[in-house]
Amino acid sequence: DQQVKQNSPSLSVQEGRISILNCDYTNSMFDYFLWYKKYPAEGPTFLISISSIKDKNEDGRFTVFLNKSAKHLSLHIVPSQPGDSAVYFCAASAQAGKSTFGDGTTLTVKP
Amino acid sequence: DTGVSQNPRHKITKRGQNVTFRCDPISEHNRLYWYRQTLGQGPEFLTYFQNEAQLEKSRLLSDRFSAERPKGSFSTLEIQRTEQGDSAMYLCASSLQRKEKLFFGSGTQLSVL
Repeated sequence: DQQVKQNSPSLSVQEGRISILNCDYTNSMFDYFLWYKKYPAEGPTFLISISSIKDKNEDGRFTVFLNKSAKHLSLHIVPSQPGDSAVYFCAASAQAGKSTFGDGTTLTVKP
Repeated sequence: DTGVSQNPRHKITKRGQNVTFRCDPISEHNRLYWYRQTLGQGPEFLTYFQNEAQLEKSRLLSDRFSAERPKGSFSTLEIQRTEQGDSAMYLCASSLQRKEKLFFGSGTQLSVL
């Protein structure tokens, strides 16, 4: 039973345009959500997070939106840059315990 | 370098052999996590420690896997009698207590022949 799902394995966008990566979850106990970015041969690195008491968090070009009723979150990258090309993982945790990860979305930003 | 360090980066072993991996977390972090990742999948939780106490272990984790964090600093993950299905990237991460943000190492890529 996969509790965190990223249904799009890949996404390709043009440089300067918006990238939208989606994530769905099933466990109502999750209260904190994170996005990580991963380059080949490296471990994931933290990108941005959001608590369940908020519906939006913004950090520079990155914004995460949370829709608790739909159990859905999304990551918006505006404007997209070629250096953003990587695998993006959505993760969720409950009461500051372990994080559960989705299977990732590979983003390709074309110049 | 004050990041999470994992050794070795790569390990090739024959089926049936035992292997051990080491993780050195960020020094002030008291939580340490082990994850496993295979191609096309996200990191899969294996176990985690708070200081030297192992707080949770995945129910999917075989008895062939054991982890220790003897002094609450570095940790080791041992796999006994390796199988080809154990081939994966083994990731270590650390965090401050009750903080969700994880800092990952570069991982140990295990290949079981």
